[in-house]
Amino acid sequence: EAGVTQFPSHSVIEKGQTVTLRCDPISGHDNLYWYRRVMGKEIKFLLHFVKESKQDESGMPNNRFLAERTGGTYSTLKVQPAELEDSGVYFCASSHPEVWGEKLFFGSGTQLSVL
Amino acid sequence: LAKTTQPISMDSYEGQEVNITCSHNNIATNDYITWYQQFPSQGPRFIIQGYKTKVTNEVASLFIPADRKSSTLSLPRVSLSDTAVYYCLVGDRASSGGSYIPTFGRGTSLIVHP
Repeated sequence: EAGVTQFPSHSVIEKGQTVTLRCDPISGHDNLYWYRRVMGKEIKFLLHFVKESKQDESGMPNNRFLAERTGGTYSTLKVQPAELEDSGVYFCASSHPEVWGEKLFFGSGTQLSVL
Repeated sequence: LAKTTQPISMDSYEGQEVNITCSHNNIATNDYITWYQQFPSQGPRFIIQGYKTKVTNEVASLFIPADRKSSTLSLPRVSLSDTAVYYCLVGDRASSGGSYIPTFGRGTSLIVHP
């Protein structure tokens, strides 16, 4: 079974540019989460989808961040315009509580560097 | 959500047993205790989950005392490849009003020496 995949693995952009991160959850997993770790800090929750609906987006830093999950499959996280403080590793995770309980499956993350 | 406290770092040697304790004094009745492992350049990976007493799988054991205010992750005979950050999380969908948001602390950085 394929795991959670994230694309790209690395992205280097200049301040003011736009970047879109993609996450493909495990097939059949309705729950999808985005997290971010800024260097030296803890892994912080950004938002949670259940299928195509945003269940909780309390962790989104500001309106420069837009997450979508059209059709309840893959998700994208767009940062526009990117700022220096957006640099960090963005993790996606999915879960299927009915089968795996509260176990999250994480992708390897996207390392975003804003110069 | 219940707050967790873990040691910031630990050192061990190959072949030793490592025990990492996590404190969660305000754990709720429905909360489960979950441990994740994270290697550099990878996402966290689920290790083990438990509610009370002892849970064991092929990777680790989890010991939870009767009051559930702490838990101990036990790694038997560690190897160099066990060098990683270990996170303790507590929570449950029921306790969170139906939306479970796993919350990570700083974790414990374990370094295994030859």
